[in-house]
Amino acid sequence: QSALTQAAAVSGSPGQSITISCTGTSSDIGSYNLVSWYQQHPGKAPKLMIYEVSKRPSGVSDRFSGSKSASTASLTISGLQAEDEADYYCSSYGGSSTLLFGGGTKLTVL
Amino acid sequence: QVQLQESGPGLVKPSETLSLTCTVSGDSDYWTWIRQPPGKGLEWIGNVYHSEKTKYNPSLKSRVTISKDTSRRQISLTLTSVTAADTAVYFCARGLYRLDYWGQGKLVTVSS
Repeated sequence: QSALTQAAAVSGSPGQSITISCTGTSSDIGSYNLVSWYQQHPGKAPKLMIYEVSKRPSGVSDRFSGSKSASTASLTISGLQAEDEADYYCSSYGGSSTLLFGGGTKLTVL
Repeated sequence: QVQLQESGPGLVKPSETLSLTCTVSGDSDYWTWIRQPPGKGLEWIGNVYHSEKTKYNPSLKSRVTISKDTSRRQISLTLTSVTAADTAVYFCARGLYRLDYWGQGKLVTVSS
């Protein structure tokens, strides 16, 4: 069971759009539409931002969107705001009731 | 609104057993433990579902036990034979693959 692969860092200016990718395998992301994305501010618990690839929980801004192609999932944040600066983690169901996390991507809003 | 609260010792000696409890305000069939070493990413520890079924991270499977006490609304985590590598913030969360509610986390340091 290997972790999912994310870029360590990404940055963007306010108002811009950024995309964070999460690469898995045909056994996890490629097999299930059960990818989630979490936002984590320093010292805080992660917050669910996207689930089942592209669904947003109630209260999450529609500036956040998710997609998937083959074994790679993506999180796009449009209209970047200062408060979006945080760490972002992807996760995927790995089958047999297991869960995988990505290594995390640090988003810096310039 | 579902609330989760982790509790337990913040300091455990090497080779001893780490024991944490997650007290929850609502019910669910699925509960998960996750940990995060200082400055590092999230690691799935395992889950309990349908009250008694469990699944663990293969890298921890020989040392970890997760259980649920429905009457006390608690989910427990035990990790045996700890080392400094087990130093982390431990989170409990509701769900199996969609973790929609999280506890605030409990920092556990393994040190003599």
